[in-house]
Amino acid sequence: SQQGEEDPQALSIQEGENATMNCSYKTSINNLQWYRQNSGRGLVHLILIRSNEREKHSGRLRVTLDTSKKSSSLLITASRAADTASYFCATDAGAGNMLTFGGGTRLMVKP
Amino acid sequence: NAGVTQTPKFQVLKTGQSMTLQCAQDMNHNSMYWYRQDPGMGLRLIYYSASEGTTDKGEVPNGYNVSRLNKREFSLRLESAAPSQTSVYFCASSPDSNVLTFGAGSRLTVL
Repeated sequence: SQQGEEDPQALSIQEGENATMNCSYKTSINNLQWYRQNSGRGLVHLILIRSNEREKHSGRLRVTLDTSKKSSSLLITASRAADTASYFCATDAGAGNMLTFGGGTRLMVKP
Repeated sequence: NAGVTQTPKFQVLKTGQSMTLQCAQDMNHNSMYWYRQDPGMGLRLIYYSASEGTTDKGEVPNGYNVSRLNKREFSLRLESAAPSQTSVYFCASSPDSNVLTFGAGSRLTVL
């Protein structure tokens, strides 16, 4: 079963707008990661946030983590057409070496 | 800088045939993983290897076997392919069981 569930499943916005996607999970975690997947390609790591962190930034990306609600959000500011991709959250619950992925959010940024 | 290399990129099999997916990484990572990706399901872990000489089952190991040939290589074998194994397979590696580096994927169709 999937640990993380992304919401929404699909998102379509105009270039320049902000995109927000959410991830909910079920069990306690050590860290939560976000990955991006361009069509037909492998996943690429974007950002990792640890369970004792509440917010993290990387360029146009902002990730928040609320462990009390077991949820995280990924904000992409000033989106570009090149941001069109699927975005996945992945949780590390410390269960050996297993990183568990959610079903992903498909983001389309229209030029 | 090749990263994680998977072969083949595409394969069509008939039910009952066998095949091996190859994966090699040149980053001196300790941990290696095999995931499958199906529409709407995110990525599900098949097997992983925390270090050379060890392998462990993931979420969906049935119908698969793996071999950690050396530190660089981690192969996935389907002994008797079934249509339910039609999927895109991703190999990944990690230095520390946290951030994963993915290969480009292998698309397998079982008729």
